[in-house]
Amino acid sequence: QSVLTQPPSASGTPGQRVTISCSGSSSNIGTYSVNWYQQFPGMAPKLLIYNNNQRPSGVPDRFSGSKSGTSASLAIRGLQSEDEAKYYCVAWDDSLRGPVFGGGTKVTVL
Amino acid sequence: EVQLVQSGAEVKKPGESLKISCQGSGYNFISYWIVWVRQMPGKGLEWMGIIYPGDSATTYSPSFQGQVTISADKSISTSYLQWSSLKASDTAMYYCARRYDYYDSSVDGNQYYMDVWGKGTTVTVSS
Repeated sequence: QSVLTQPPSASGTPGQRVTISCSGSSSNIGTYSVNWYQQFPGMAPKLLIYNNNQRPSGVPDRFSGSKSGTSASLAIRGLQSEDEAKYYCVAWDDSLRGPVFGGGTKVTVL
Repeated sequence: EVQLVQSGAEVKKPGESLKISCQGSGYNFISYWIVWVRQMPGKGLEWMGIIYPGDSATTYSPSFQGQVTISADKSISTSYLQWSSLKASDTAMYYCARRYDYYDSSVDGNQYYMDVWGKGTTVTVSS
């Protein structure tokens, strides 16, 4: 059971917009910024979004993040086949004094 | 280029000990926390613990406290994750990641994210 709650799967056709939700609590998302990671099978996670809505250099602007209260979301605009991956939300947690993860959302491009 | 290079895959028997490593390069290793993360086969990411190589201050996730030991040798820019007695349930991929800290004036506090990850070390424990 992950501390942050994400839907296990999401899907869309090429070009569509897909949104992934992430729900937490006051000790994590309510206090700290949310970060999103993209992971392909057999690969290490890669930072996709940090500080709720900032993209590292090289991340396409099709990816965007937002946060409100104790929830956050990741949006993929103009879905592409190469976006098929697992996406994790992460936030720091005051109680644990470490990061807490969502269970991951597998995005499928139909 | 900032990199974390992890040691190679390991195959061990239950009850054996193991120490895997994560070497940083391209940045001041002692100034950034290193986070260790477990990913069991087909599962999600789990935080194990975190260490500050500058003074070896360490915090463990309650789920891993007493199960593993995290250490660092700043002279060779390396952090370690070790087990004294492996179990089959320790079979997993283990990642190290650098924690990036920054001050967020909008909340008057520090924020954190893991910006650079190692490629991972596969540990297989089987009799």
